[in-house]
Amino acid sequence: AQRVTQPEKLLSVFKGAPVELKCNYSYSGSPELFWYVQYSRQRLQLLLRHISRESIKGFTADLNKGETSFHLKKPFAQEEDSAMYYCALRNYGGSQGNLIFGKGTKLSVKP
Amino acid sequence: DAGITQSPRYKITETGRQVTLMCHQTWSHSYMFWYRQDLGHGLRLIYYSAAADITDKGEVPDGYVVSRSKTENFPLTLESATRSQTSVYFCASTGTGGIGELFFGEGSRLTVL
Repeated sequence: AQRVTQPEKLLSVFKGAPVELKCNYSYSGSPELFWYVQYSRQRLQLLLRHISRESIKGFTADLNKGETSFHLKKPFAQEEDSAMYYCALRNYGGSQGNLIFGKGTKLSVKP
Repeated sequence: DAGITQSPRYKITETGRQVTLMCHQTWSHSYMFWYRQDLGHGLRLIYYSAAADITDKGEVPDGYVVSRSKTENFPLTLESATRSQTSVYFCASTGTGGIGELFFGEGSRLTVL
């Protein structure tokens, strides 16, 4: 079964420190992976998707098929990065278009 | 306003009452989804719709009913609300054959007493 695991519920770092939010997935084929972010009192919005290979707000994520991981990284965290981050995997079996979400990691960046 | 909107944003109801959460999008997206967001569970799919008059169950459909008579609207009804349905509900939509980015509404926070 397809599954997304985000092992950390909460990640707390100081401003300027590197940050890595972990995401592991379970899928035997070629996955399509996303990171969504939810700032306080705002809607979820797409941060990045692996097929675009772009850097958004200084964040990058590399797909590692060998480790079945899609960790989100930023070299220097900013206070405005504090938010809830969800890793998501395209669901290929059943509800087309649907994404399977991890449980989320709350990132807190301290001044 | 263009985009995807949900109403009401906040709702308090009592056990056993019927509640309908509305979702409206202006992009003519084919696909629409309802998720619930709970601490410790992340987002879980309740129902989805590939087009008008086509709906199907997601991961946690029990206790919910949906309809989609028009492309732009996708209401979610709790026929007899229970406390376990206290949650934040998100509607989302996508076009491009269902393989594009999901666009989310602002969420509806429902409390069942």
